[in-house]
Amino acid sequence: EVQLVESGGGLVQPGGSLRLSCAASGFTFSSYEMNWVRQAPGKGLEWVSYISGTSNTIYYADSVKGRFTISRDNAKNSLILQMNSLRADDTAVYYCARDRNGVTFDFWGQGTLVTVSS
Amino acid sequence: DIQMTQSPSTLSASVGDRVTISCRASQSISVWLAWYQQKPGKAPKLLIYKASSLESGVPSRFSGSGSGTEFTLTISCLQPDDFATYYCQQYNTYSRAFGQGTKVEMK
Repeated sequence: EVQLVESGGGLVQPGGSLRLSCAASGFTFSSYEMNWVRQAPGKGLEWVSYISGTSNTIYYADSVKGRFTISRDNAKNSLILQMNSLRADDTAVYYCARDRNGVTFDFWGQGTLVTVSS
Repeated sequence: DIQMTQSPSTLSASVGDRVTISCRASQSISVWLAWYQQKPGKAPKLLIYKASSLESGVPSRFSGSGSGTEFTLTISCLQPDDFATYYCQQYNTYSRAFGQGTKVEMK
């Protein structure tokens, strides 16, 4: 059974940092591209970042470019989002999502809440 | 960047109704469009990919159509479990933009 479990969310002050993790199981992690998607309270979905299976290709949304870093550890079946210089408008539930070739996001984690507030 | 626009933002319907949601892309995305269903407090669930392909396990009352810039999600006979918010998403480019969502609520 495919499972994606996010962790690392919490309350952080503006300007602070947070590291999110997504633990994957039930599939060959290295064979899949992965993404982070976020959803601010009461708002719609916003794509945040993409990483290829080999980490050779990485993309970011303009809203997080230069502040967030996506990475993965295929040996540990783990996806990471390092978030620096956090702002109030980064407050959201952050989801990791598996990217099936030709299909897009076919499995999602349950999400982890990040709250940026003083 | 490609922008995705859904209509309507809210839709009031009854069980048994045929429901149609539209999604428009700001430029052609061929057939690289997906539809998701999201319920409060839950992660989105993939319903349709490649504009009209039904994801495994999704009821056949859901269908998708369109290509280029105009797309449609249809629920043929609305069921109680279908009251939710629906999002379209383009995946023609790396910036996987979502539409703003359509909430299907009970009339």
